[in-house]
Amino acid sequence: EPEVTQTPSHQVTQMGQEVILRCVPISNHLYFYWYRQILGQKVEFLVSFYNNEISEKSEIFDDQFSVERPDGSNFTLKIRSTKLEDSAMYFCASSTTGAEAFFGQGTRLTVV
Amino acid sequence: AQSVTQPDIHITVSEGASLELRCNYSYGATPYLFWYVQSPGQGLQLLLKYFSGDTLVQGIKGFEAEFKRSQSSFNLRKPSVHWSDAAEYFCAVATGNRDDKIIFGKGTRLHILP
Repeated sequence: EPEVTQTPSHQVTQMGQEVILRCVPISNHLYFYWYRQILGQKVEFLVSFYNNEISEKSEIFDDQFSVERPDGSNFTLKIRSTKLEDSAMYFCASSTTGAEAFFGQGTRLTVV
Repeated sequence: AQSVTQPDIHITVSEGASLELRCNYSYGATPYLFWYVQSPGQGLQLLLKYFSGDTLVQGIKGFEAEFKRSQSSFNLRKPSVHWSDAAEYFCAVATGNRDDKIIFGKGTRLHILP
């Protein structure tokens, strides 16, 4: 069964460093998303991406964040200068129509 | 904008007992509704979804949920819980419009007593 793949599963980075979280969506999907879950809290929408541009972004998705689909298969989330409060689980998701999104297993980001 | 409320932060039931987790949504039209389960440190697993049609939907692991438009609810049920069902459960809603996001509730942590 096709699945969304995220790498790495866990990343530790120093405050102020840049990180790139990687995702390989399901191959025929057209809509891509990033969500964030701070430990013990709910899953929050960050950004949606369609046709090589951002469709919608939340207030969390400020200038330190960016997304990119550098080739036909990867979808990345870049955090330019990480802060302690960026520590969270980051989920990538993809969808054919937007009605149902399939989630990856997440990348746990720890900023120290 | 759509929203989801899960009124119970924690629920404790005995193994073998029945379970009902509550979920209320806010959206003007018929929403797309989901229940996800998350074990500690793990990803999100889709239990079941409702898009249209029969208001009682069956999911994996013996779960079911019923969409009640009059109550704006989509409660999750299981007739007999197992210790392995201990996890966090998230109700979620989407509009079904193209590229629309899924909005999650705050989750309900399920504890199982032996």
